[in-house]
Amino acid sequence: DVKVTQSSRYLVKRTGEKVFLECVQDMDHENMFWYRQDPGLGLRLIYFSYDVKMKEKGDIPEGYSVSREKKERFSLILESASTNQTSMYLCASSVTGNGSGYTFGSGTRLTVV
Amino acid sequence: QKEVEQNSGPLSVPEGAIASLNCTYSDRGSQSFFWYRQYSGKSPELIMFIYSNGDKEDGRFTAQLNKASQYVSLLIRDSQPSDSATYLCAAFTGGGNKLTFGTGTQLKVEL
Repeated sequence: DVKVTQSSRYLVKRTGEKVFLECVQDMDHENMFWYRQDPGLGLRLIYFSYDVKMKEKGDIPEGYSVSREKKERFSLILESASTNQTSMYLCASSVTGNGSGYTFGSGTRLTVV
Repeated sequence: QKEVEQNSGPLSVPEGAIASLNCTYSDRGSQSFFWYRQYSGKSPELIMFIYSNGDKEDGRFTAQLNKASQYVSLLIRDSQPSDSATYLCAAFTGGGNKLTFGTGTQLKVEL
């Protein structure tokens, strides 16, 4: 069964901490994405990557960075966590082509206190 | 400007009825369309996708696409309480390998 695995289901961090969210996929997908989801706002794209060591900003990249050193792993970094970054974070992956759709990870609910 | 629009609901239907979920999109270059189901506190899961005009059926689910009118719909026949969830519509435009998501419609199937 193909999978996108996010390292933590729930996470509580303090304001100002550097936070790492990890995502690993076993489907050899080229594309990986990080979204956050908040009530009433839907899914908002933070960053995405089409290839190893490649990254592009999404709609809301401020306060975040990413790393993709290996094809299967895409990490989201909160440089200095703030309370307004409390959210559900979803990682997804897909193959390149005519829209095969995303496979999502199970999500990480991050609370910044 | 939002590119994929959905009514947020909630849409309430009685058990056994047909639930009809609708979605419109603004980019005529959109090539394929996806419906995801998301239970509260869980991640989205793909239930249907459609590329061509017309209907596509999979079990109790039927996706409908009308490119001229730029709308996509999802019909759920014989709705069950377990179908209660938020349904996300997404469009793939080909550029950038990204999906554009609507904000979702909450469906409630009542006993």
